[in-house]
Amino acid sequence: LAKTTQPISMDSYEGQEVNITCSHNNIATNDYITWYQQFPSQGPRFIIQGYKTKVTNEVASLFIPADRKSSTLSLPRVSLSDTAVYYCLVVPEGGYNKLIFGAGTRLAVHP
Amino acid sequence: ETGVTQTPRHLVMGMTNKKSLKCEQHLGHNAMYWYKQSAKKPLELMFVYSLEERVENNSVPSRFSPECPNSSHLFLHLHTLQPEDSALYLCASSQDPGRAYNEQFFGPGTRLTVL
Repeated sequence: LAKTTQPISMDSYEGQEVNITCSHNNIATNDYITWYQQFPSQGPRFIIQGYKTKVTNEVASLFIPADRKSSTLSLPRVSLSDTAVYYCLVVPEGGYNKLIFGAGTRLAVHP
Repeated sequence: ETGVTQTPRHLVMGMTNKKSLKCEQHLGHNAMYWYKQSAKKPLELMFVYSLEERVENNSVPSRFSPECPNSSHLFLHLHTLQPEDSALYLCASSQDPGRAYNEQFFGPGTRLTVL
C-alpha cells in the first residue's frame, strides 16, 4: 500500500482558500486517491476521491498531476466549521477497500 | 447522521469485565469494519468483514473478538482488556467491496475507558 505524506498542521482564516498537499511517491497504477475529514470525537467523513486530473464536488476540489505522485485538496472559502483533521489516503482498486490512515493534517480556521 | 449507529457511545469497564460494542448500518452495505483510534495515534484498522466473512484481522489481540451475524450488524466483544486499550472505537461500512469507488461511512464511535 502506498504511503502518504502530508503536513501535520495548517492554519487559515475564514473566507480563505486552503490547499493541502499530499505526496504518494509509490502510488500504484490501480490506486485511487481519497480524502477524509474528521472532527473531534467523530468518525471520519469521506470528502472526495479521484484518479487523475481534477475532481470537484460541492465540498472540495482535488487536483492530481499527470505523474500522480502527489495530490492537492482544495477547500474554497473555509469557515470555522472546517476546522478538522484531513486525511489523504491511497486506496487500491477493488477488494474490500482497506484504508490505512496516517496522522493527517490538522487544519485550524481562525476568525 | 451517516446511517451507521454505534452503542454505547461511552463505556467504562474494569480489566476483568466482559462487554460488547454494537454497530448497525442501515445502508444496505456488504462490508463492515472496526477501527481503533488512540490518543495521538492514527486510526488503526482492526477487522474487516465482507459479506459476513472476516477477511482481515490486523494482528489484533485475542481479547478483542469480532462477530458479524449478518450484513447489518457488527459486534466487538471485549474481555480482560488493558488500560492501553482505552480509545475511540469506530465502526464503518461500505458497499460492494469489489468496487474501486468504495466510500466508507463511519459511525460516531464508542469512547472506551479501561480502568
